Amino acid sequence: QQQVKQSPQSLIVQKGGISIINCAYENTAFDYFPWYQQFPGKGPALLIAIRPDVSEKKEGRFTISFNKSAKQFSLHIMDSQPGDSATYFCAAGLSGNTPLVFGKGTRLSVIA
Amino acid sequence: GAVVSQHPSWVICKSGTSVKIECRSLDFQATTMFWYRQFPKQSLMLMATSNEGSKATYEQGVEKDKFLINHASLTLSTLTVTSAHPEDSSFYICSARDRSGRVSYNEQFFGPGTRLTVL
Repeated sequence: QQQVKQSPQSLIVQKGGISIINCAYENTAFDYFPWYQQFPGKGPALLIAIRPDVSEKKEGRFTISFNKSAKQFSLHIMDSQPGDSATYFCAAGLSGNTPLVFGKGTRLSVIA
Repeated sequence: GAVVSQHPSWVICKSGTSVKIECRSLDFQATTMFWYRQFPKQSLMLMATSNEGSKATYEQGVEKDKFLINHASLTLSTLTVTSAHPEDSSFYICSARDRSGRVSYNEQFFGPGTRLTVL
């Protein structure tokens, strides 16, 4: 029930295309859904996050879509660039001091 | 704001020695810090949760006597890998939560990670 399932495991997108990564969760108590970007040899960096009271959040080229009834959320990267090539992790969190639950990650490669 | 640092960024040590990794929140006070381990091309594996002034809570399967965690202040947590062995070689990452309320209460900020290689 604490799992967050992320797909696909890897993704190759043409420069300028849209990258879409999906996550699904089971625990309806989760109330915070962030996405992290990680480059090789670096720590994860918070990219964008959403709460279940909204269905979409956009920050620049990055958009989170949230479907509460389906218990799914996704990250869309518009106009994907080679610099976006990284590993992306979705996560889900509860109130209090409990740690985030992470998906297994998606390795995105944006090719020119 | 919300910067977390780790020191050292990489360390190479001989088998049997102990290694200490520091995690600091530079511009905020952290209620809670988390320690993760990450193997190549894999996700983050939570090792333990530490709260300032109290004992760390370790995840199942993580040896508390091997991975000593101390959270002595609101800005510093340390992870000591005792009697390190080659299988302990990994990327160790800490994260922290900001208690001030400036940001979301469950937002986690990650450090840059420490690459440990045990020979």
